[in-house]
Amino acid sequence: NAGVMQNPRHLVRRRGQEARLRCSPMKGHSHVYWYRQLPEEGLKFMVYLQKENIIDESGMPKERFSAEFPKEGPSILRIQQVVRGDSAAYFCASSPSPEISYGYTFGSGTRLTVV
Amino acid sequence: SQELEQSPQSLIVQEGKNLTINCTSSKTLYGLYWYKQKYGEGLIFLMMLQKGGEEKSHEKITAKLDEKKQQSSLHITASQPSHAGIYLCGATGGHYGGATNKLIFGTGTLLAVQP
Repeated sequence: NAGVMQNPRHLVRRRGQEARLRCSPMKGHSHVYWYRQLPEEGLKFMVYLQKENIIDESGMPKERFSAEFPKEGPSILRIQQVVRGDSAAYFCASSPSPEISYGYTFGSGTRLTVV
Repeated sequence: SQELEQSPQSLIVQEGKNLTINCTSSKTLYGLYWYKQKYGEGLIFLMMLQKGGEEKSHEKITAKLDEKKQQSSLHITASQPSHAGIYLCGATGGHYGGATNKLIFGTGTLLAVQP
């Protein structure tokens, strides 16, 4: 049973380009969470999604960032018109239910570098 | 909002020494999670504590949650180079089992173990 798969592992974008980060949850997990780890900062919650629904996007920047988790396929975190400040590690986690009794399972992350 | 403070921020120990990392919450903890992150990699779930006074061990790592459920400690016995990494404590942002189950993470503790 594969874990949470994130791709790409590393992504380099020029300022103004779009970044698309993909997350495939563990088999049987229908709850996905995105976190961002900025340099010198802690890990911060961005958004929580279930299949086809955004449940909590309180940590998402108001502009340029969007997330989806379609019925089929991986969850996508999309960053439009990237800026240098978007450079960070983006982690996805999944769980089988809303209760995180035993913690999430995290992916290995996508490291975004904006040049 | 709930905040988690970890101490120390960083720690260098000689191989074979014991060490303790602390995590203090500004509010009562409904669930406390310990994760380990190796540089450039994802988060590995270590342990979850829920009840006041609870203590769990796995190999040489022991985690405790105090009776008031506002402080947790992670103790490593006879440290090894494989223990090196960033240790993060996380707590549920709201009431346990609520509609959103995002994790709020502490500031992290960077551990280096010298051979």
